Amino acid sequence: AQTVTQSQPEMSVQEAETVTLSCTYDTSESDYYLFWYKQPPSRQMILVIRQEAYKQQNATENRFSVNFQKAAKSFSLKISDSQLGDAAMYFCAYRPLMEYGNKLVFGAGTILRVKS
Amino acid sequence: GAVVSQHPSWVICKSGTSVKIECRSLDFQATTMFWYRQFPKQSLMLMATSNEGSKATYEQGVEKDKFLINHASLTLSTLTVTSAHPEDSSFYICSANLAGRETQYFGPGTRLLVL
Repeated sequence: AQTVTQSQPEMSVQEAETVTLSCTYDTSESDYYLFWYKQPPSRQMILVIRQEAYKQQNATENRFSVNFQKAAKSFSLKISDSQLGDAAMYFCAYRPLMEYGNKLVFGAGTILRVKS
Repeated sequence: GAVVSQHPSWVICKSGTSVKIECRSLDFQATTMFWYRQFPKQSLMLMATSNEGSKATYEQGVEKDKFLINHASLTLSTLTVTSAHPEDSSFYICSANLAGRETQYFGPGTRLLVL
C-alpha cells in the first residue's frame, strides 16, 4: 500500500523568508500524481501545486515550487517570500495514475507558522 | 472554476437524531465524490468513495449503515449520519473529481457537534 510521510509536525518561518516542507512517499507504481494542499484556519482545502511523476521538471506556482526527486521518492515544497497568509496546515498527497476512484493518500500534515 | 459547496457548514444535533450533509459541484460534473472525516490537527481520513448512480465504496472500518451515502446526480452527493452519537462529532469534508482529471476539489467542510 502507498504511504505518505511528512516528518515535520510543525515549522516556523519569518515573514519574507523561505521555508521548505518535506514529504516522502512509498509506492511501487511508476506513474502517479503528487499534490500539496493547504488548509488555513478556515479549514478549506486549497490546492497549492501538482506534479506529474512522468515530468522531470519541477512544478512551480508563483512563490511555491517543489523539489521532486523520483528515485528518492521525495516531494518537498518550497515557499519563497513567506507571507502571513501562508500560515496553514500543509498536506502532501499521492494519487496513483490508474487507481479507480482517484483516491488520494494524505500525509499527516505540517503546521506552518509565519512570524511577522 | 471547480467549485464545490457543502451544506450546512455547521450543525448541532441531539444524540440519536440523523443529520444529512450535502455536497455539490457547482460548475462541473463530478463522476466521483469523496467523503472525509477530520479531527483537529490531524489529517483527512477517507470514509467512502461515491460514484454517480452506484453504491458507495466504504473504507475499512467505516460503518456503511451508520454513514449513508447517496450520489443521485453528477453534481450532488449526500452523507447522512444516522442515529448520531457524540463520538460522531467531527469535521466532515467532501471532494469531487472532474471526469478524467487528476485533481480533487474540496468543499469547505461541515462541522458536526452531537450533544
